[in-house]
Amino acid sequence: TQLLEQSPQFLSIQEGENLTVYCNSSSVFSSLQWYRQEPGEGPVLLVTVVTGGEVKKLKRLTFQFGDARKDSSLHITAAQPGDTGLYLCAGNKAAGNKLTFGGGTRVLVKP
Amino acid sequence: DAGVIQSPRHEVTEMGQEVTLRCKPISGHNSLFWYRQTMMRGLELLIYFNNNVPIDDSGMPEDRFSAKMPNASFSTLKIQPSEPRDSAVYFCASSPTSDGELFFGEGSRLTVL
Repeated sequence: TQLLEQSPQFLSIQEGENLTVYCNSSSVFSSLQWYRQEPGEGPVLLVTVVTGGEVKKLKRLTFQFGDARKDSSLHITAAQPGDTGLYLCAGNKAAGNKLTFGGGTRVLVKP
Repeated sequence: DAGVIQSPRHEVTEMGQEVTLRCKPISGHNSLFWYRQTMMRGLELLIYFNNNVPIDDSGMPEDRFSAKMPNASFSTLKIQPSEPRDSAVYFCASSPTSDGELFFGEGSRLTVL
């Protein structure tokens, strides 16, 4: 059982549709990061959330950190083929601690 | 600016052979991490260093795996002897701090036959 559970594991949608991926845990995290990984490359940071209830927007991507800092979601509006990739959440249980990654959600946006 | 540089990008070897993966972190970053990624287990932390000192190696699978960081600009991950179950993509990442943003290399894809 992973400390951070991501769902769904795989999502296939048409261009223009919306999607939401989830990152859940029974543990409290001091901060949580979202990464996107494209085939043949390493993960790249999208955003870091640190405050319970925080909402951050990055163009068509909206990230939310749960009030209790145990969960997070990523919502993509009007998905485009360029959004295709593996989305990973990663959490820190305390400042200075190592990051723990979730299992990832593989997103495929078809043109 | 150069990012994290890993070599080799691809390695195919036979069971029992020694494998050495190399990493050059981003200059000025104090923390270096080695991860392994497979479809079954996702991204797993193997070991991380702070200021060239190994801090947590609890993710290293067994004694066949070893990692060194002789200086701030170079690290190696060695597998000896290699086994087919070691086949995976191995990522090196560096960070200004142990809990900050991770900057990943492009990975080394290892296939052990």
